[in-house]
Amino acid sequence: NAGVTQTPKFQVLKTGQSMTLQCAQDMNHNSMYWYRQDPGMGLRLIYYSASEGTTDKGEVPNGYNVSRLNKREFSLRLESAAPSQTSVYFCASRERWNTEAFFGQGTRLTVV
Amino acid sequence: GDSVTQMEGPVTLSEEAFLTINCTYTATGYPSLFWYVQYPGEGLQLLLKATKADDKGSNKGFEATYRKETTSFHLEKGSVQVSDSAVYFCARSAGNNRKLIWGLGTSLAVNP
Repeated sequence: NAGVTQTPKFQVLKTGQSMTLQCAQDMNHNSMYWYRQDPGMGLRLIYYSASEGTTDKGEVPNGYNVSRLNKREFSLRLESAAPSQTSVYFCASRERWNTEAFFGQGTRLTVV
Repeated sequence: GDSVTQMEGPVTLSEEAFLTINCTYTATGYPSLFWYVQYPGEGLQLLLKATKADDKGSNKGFEATYRKETTSFHLEKGSVQVSDSAVYFCARSAGNNRKLIWGLGTSLAVNP
């Protein structure tokens, strides 16, 4: 099983550029999440999708948009990248509200 | 609101030392509790979990017991190895809003 697959693994953007981070899971999970991880800040939730067809803001949604394309895929878009969005981004999925989350390997994004 | 508090790091130990990483949570409802591990450059992996009071989760020599009376889920290992060097995250489920609530992570370095 591939689990949760994120692409790309590394990306460098110039300020103002846009890009989409892709995430796909093959475990038939209902819920999917996007987090960012910064030194000393732990994991911060950007957006999540409790089920196919729904999305909700997390703690730090500004500057991001998401699309739950189908049950498998949940993409994160940066419309106009800023240096403050330099971070490691993780996608995760869960079957139900009280089960564990499975994580992708992360996307290391640098905005210059 | 819901929260998870874990001890700050970094924690530095010698090989074969005893490890405890403290984690406490707010007691809203009956959450499931999790410990995740993140090795350098990788995503988060589930280390162990417990779904109800007095459950003990265990994996790879690590253990944690769900203590409802003290709202704690401390991670322990009797004899750490260099390969246990990683960042450890405590988390709890957060009811029907489908989120996970995370601690800030504790960095562990084990010296030979």
